[in-house]
Amino acid sequence: GAVVSQHPSWVICKSGTSVKIECRSLDFQATTMFWYRQFPKQSLMLMATSNEGSKATYEQGVEKDKFLINHASLTLSTLTVTSAHPEDSSFYICSARPTLRGTVYEQYFGPGTRLTVT
Amino acid sequence: AQTVTQSQPEMSVQEAETVTLSCTYDTSENNYYLFWYKQPPSRQMILVIRQEAYKQQNATENRFSVNFQKAAKSFSLKISDSQLGDTAMYFCAFMKGRGSGTYKYIFGTGTRLKVLA
Repeated sequence: GAVVSQHPSWVICKSGTSVKIECRSLDFQATTMFWYRQFPKQSLMLMATSNEGSKATYEQGVEKDKFLINHASLTLSTLTVTSAHPEDSSFYICSARPTLRGTVYEQYFGPGTRLTVT
Repeated sequence: AQTVTQSQPEMSVQEAETVTLSCTYDTSENNYYLFWYKQPPSRQMILVIRQEAYKQQNATENRFSVNFQKAAKSFSLKISDSQLGDTAMYFCAFMKGRGSGTYKYIFGTGTRLKVLA
């Protein structure tokens, strides 16, 4: 089946540093990937849509200079949280939409990355 | 803009019983998809069931079924013969249909379901 991985699964960083989270589609190519943020006991909020070879599309209210997204290949998208602060601590989830798919809604989620900023 | 509302923050059900989770949505679109996702403690999102808006027949997947009322914009999930492994957060989600150019999910606030032994 289609598998999406995220690395790391958990990261702790100091305030002011940057941290990169990877999202990989392991057995399929994904032209489009999505990045979500989930605070404890809350829903998933879409942060941005990542398209291979082009700039990401950010949702309203998401700081594009703080959350840098790079989708450099058909199997990898990265989210870099720059100058992280404690309020950036959250669970970050990606999903990947296969380039070749049987349905328009086909999409697969990664297992998530827990970010803790101290 | 589309919105998805889940009015039940928490629910509990006895093992082997049936429970229904509610979801309403608001959209001006005529072509769209609705989903129920399960998020267990591992936090991996798992697709439970999906409904295409153009289909009148309610979707069914084993113990899971939906009651899709398009005019009322309601999309409830029924879990029959509840099992301990069904304990999880359940999210209702909306996605615009073909031709929209965007296939992003809009999630509801979630319902935390606990199955009691």
